[in-house]
Amino acid sequence: DAKTTQPNSMESNEEEPVHLPCNHSTISGTDYIHWYRQLPSQGPEYVIHGLTSNVNNRMASLAIAEDRKSSTLILHRATLRDAAVYYCIRSDSWGKFQFGAGTQVVVTP
Amino acid sequence: KAGVTQTPRYLIKTRGQQVTLSCSPISGHRSVSWYQQTPGQGLQFLFEYFSETQRNKGNFPGRFSGRQFSNSRSEMNVSTLELGDSALYLCASSLGQAAGANVLTFGAGSRLTVL
Repeated sequence: DAKTTQPNSMESNEEEPVHLPCNHSTISGTDYIHWYRQLPSQGPEYVIHGLTSNVNNRMASLAIAEDRKSSTLILHRATLRDAAVYYCIRSDSWGKFQFGAGTQVVVTP
Repeated sequence: KAGVTQTPRYLIKTRGQQVTLSCSPISGHRSVSWYQQTPGQGLQFLFEYFSETQRNKGNFPGRFSGRQFSNSRSEMNVSTLELGDSALYLCASSLGQAAGANVLTFGAGSRLTVL
């Protein structure tokens, strides 16, 4: 079971964009890429997901490489409330989630 | 609408005992999945139930089991507890019909401490 690979931590200034990379080099053609985030003492919260093309929603954007071996979550303007652990996840055709180790995002005022 | 509710939120057990955790999904959600979160292993998939049937299973020993009821509520049980079972157990629900595109809603978790 190949998991996703993410940096341990990233730091950003408030109101600056944050680009969170994720490597999923062994992804299969039917696996979806999901991003969730987890604040302390809470369960993970959905951020965004996609299959092949780039996706945007009110929280973030997801840029998926053409070969699908990597993706980047983009938080356009980081706020203090965006400080959390961000998980890049592969979801297979059965809906089984494979979580990565997560990236701790620190936002500095 | 009400979110995913997990009970109890905290519990302490001793080695050898068993424990049952409960999860009430969002109304209308037919899929419930369970995850174990530890500092060393991160978030690991335990199993998933859809319409009372186990549809997916992770790589955990048989001491870990679960079930789902006709109202979609789910329970997981861990028998013969070991120290290493100390973890945050998270439950997530979804509509369950979109395979890899299913969006999960997580509960706040049940924190189990085994002494």
